[in-house]
Amino acid sequence: KAGVTQTPRYLIKTRGQQVTLSCSPISGHRSVSWYQQTPGQGLQFLFEYFSETQRNKGNFPGRFSGRQFSNSRSEMNVSTLELGDSALYLCASSWGTGDYGYTFGSGTRLTVV
Amino acid sequence: AQKITQTQPGMFVQEKEAVTLDCTYDTSDPSYGLFWYKQPSSGEMIFLIYQGSYDQQNATEGRYSLNFQKARKSANLVISASQLGDSAMYFCAMSPSNNAGNMLTFGGGTRLMVKP
Repeated sequence: KAGVTQTPRYLIKTRGQQVTLSCSPISGHRSVSWYQQTPGQGLQFLFEYFSETQRNKGNFPGRFSGRQFSNSRSEMNVSTLELGDSALYLCASSWGTGDYGYTFGSGTRLTVV
Repeated sequence: AQKITQTQPGMFVQEKEAVTLDCTYDTSDPSYGLFWYKQPSSGEMIFLIYQGSYDQQNATEGRYSLNFQKARKSANLVISASQLGDSAMYFCAMSPSNNAGNMLTFGGGTRLMVKP
C-alpha cells in the first residue's frame, strides 16, 4: 500500500514569505499529525487533525496553521516566515484515536533565507 | 505534561554486538504508549517497536526489544546483533492516553554508530 506522501521534499523560501506543505495520509487513515524537527529544539508536535477538525495543538505561534480536507489530506501553512522556521517538517498518519500505528512521511525540508 | 529523556547523545557499537539505548519518561497519565523510531540520514521516521503502559510483557520485534520498567519509568531499546545499517538516530517517544488524540512527545535522540 502507498505510504504517507509529503510534498514538496525540499523548499527554499525568503524571510517574510508564506509556505504551504502538503501531506497525503495512508488510505483509510483519518488522523494526520504534524511535527517540526530542528537541531536546537528537536522534534516538536505542531497539531493534529482528525476528520477535518483540529483535535490537538502544540505550543507554536499563530503563524503556523493547518487544515484537513474531506479525503484526509492535510496542509500546513506558515505565514511571515522567519529564519528559525528552517526545519524538517514531518507528518504522520494513523487510523484513529489511540491507534499506535503511526506512519511518517519522508518530510519536507524547509530552508528560509 | 509528558517528558522523554534520552541521556546518550551518541553511542558506538561493534557490528554483531548488542546495544541498549536508554529512555526515561515522565507523565501523569494513567495510560500511555511508548515508541521507538529510527531516523536514517534521509530523514524519514521508521517505526521500530511499541509498548503499552498496561502491557504485561516486554515488546519484541525481530532484533528489537523494549525493556519496560514501569516503576522506574524507563523504556530502553535493545538491539541485538547490530548491523551496519543500524547506524542512525534513534528516538524514544510517548503518546498520551487512548482518548487524547494522536500526538507524540519525543526525546532528544541518540545517534548510534555501528563499527565494522
